[in-house]
Amino acid sequence: GAGVSQTPSNKVTEKGKYVELRCDPISGHTALYWYRQSLGQGPEFLIYFQGTGAADDSGLPNDRFFAVRPEGSVSTLKIQRTERGDSAVYLCASSFSSGGASNEQFFGPGTRLTVL
Amino acid sequence: KNQVEQSPQSLIILEGKNCTLQCNYTVSPFSNLRWYKQDTGRGPVSLTIMTFSENTKSNGRYTATLDADTKQSSLHITASQLSDSASYICVVSPSYSGGYQKVTFGTGTKLQVIP
Repeated sequence: GAGVSQTPSNKVTEKGKYVELRCDPISGHTALYWYRQSLGQGPEFLIYFQGTGAADDSGLPNDRFFAVRPEGSVSTLKIQRTERGDSAVYLCASSFSSGGASNEQFFGPGTRLTVL
Repeated sequence: KNQVEQSPQSLIILEGKNCTLQCNYTVSPFSNLRWYKQDTGRGPVSLTIMTFSENTKSNGRYTATLDADTKQSSLHITASQLSDSASYICVVSPSYSGGYQKVTFGTGTKLQVIP
């Protein structure tokens, strides 16, 4: 089925390098979310897109993190000057709209980022 | 501050046994609560959703309860199977006011079912 896909599934990089993580949401879903999940923790909100615009980026930890969704579908999370503390699983989720009790966020499998 | 707390943090049970996971939240005003199952190396998958007026909902061997007065929910797993081994995450949504409905995730309960 056409679920949320994320690439790469694993990314190992060196401290100080730049990385891009990609998310392909379910077709027709206007809302897209990025989360970061550390081992043994629940997902931590990073940023939310409604269409092409970042409606809420309050979860981005600092200005090394940036995300885009230029055509309202695929999104890319960009991390500059990576640090060891950035190591985590980055989850992407999409939903048909942003609100409502029946609105479910469908998650991708995540990208495991390891910064050496 | 909206918070979701889950207990226990981890749990080991024998195959075939039942178990109950707990979720307490302070999210207000409340809209709905979901239980997600997250297998190792995968994204979370929704098991149930409960709104303010619902007290119990079942999905196969999974039964969720909700007490909106005490802000507590539980997830009961009956006749556990090895494939139930996963993390179970409680996710609470505030009331939708026309803007962005930002959810709050619990830290999850890691369940291990052993033969």
